[in-house]
Amino acid sequence: EAQVTQNPRYLITVTGKKLTVTCSQNMNHEYMSWYRQDPGLGLRQIYYSMNVEVTDKGDVPEGYKVSRKEKRNFPLILESPSPNQTSLYFCASSLGQGADYTFGSGTRLTVV
Amino acid sequence: RKEVEQDPGPFNVPEGATVAFNCTYSNSASQSFFWYRQDCRKEPKLLMSVYSSGNEDGRFTAQLNRASQYISLLIRDSKLSDSATYLCVVLLGYSTLTFGKGTMLLVSP
Repeated sequence: EAQVTQNPRYLITVTGKKLTVTCSQNMNHEYMSWYRQDPGLGLRQIYYSMNVEVTDKGDVPEGYKVSRKEKRNFPLILESPSPNQTSLYFCASSLGQGADYTFGSGTRLTVV
Repeated sequence: RKEVEQDPGPFNVPEGATVAFNCTYSNSASQSFFWYRQDCRKEPKLLMSVYSSGNEDGRFTAQLNRASQYISLLIRDSKLSDSATYLCVVLLGYSTLTFGKGTMLLVSP
């Protein structure tokens, strides 16, 4: 089944404790992206990657890192999480520019 | 400035009603347009792409007006299962889909 898989689905962590949210797609998509969704603010892009070893900042990159060492994986790294990073996170992938996205099921992160 | 604007709603309609949503975008160079559906904080899922000539998929019709920079979604014969948030999505530049904040639809029996 073609899909984008995110893990974990739920995570509660403490301020400052590094964490990684994994994202993997099995559709050979070149383009991958991370979004966060907050009430009243909608989906905002954090980082995106147009291909292996190519990443770029979205609208809200502060406090996040990503890597794209392989085509299928695009992990989101929070080196020192803070409470304002409590949010619902979505990973998405697409064939390329202008194509529609397939989203992962989301990761609900709480930083206390 | 990236901006995609939607009426947040909620739109409350009875089953069987016809309902329409509009979305405006600010960048005239926008290239591609989509409607996504999102249920209860689950992942957004593509409902339909929006083409310049307009397109229809069953009870759903999408239209694009480039001159006025708006996109519309028409839902006919609403079902209870249509209750969701509908996201207007615009491709700005070459790599980024920008999402509107969504319009909530509630269909009641």
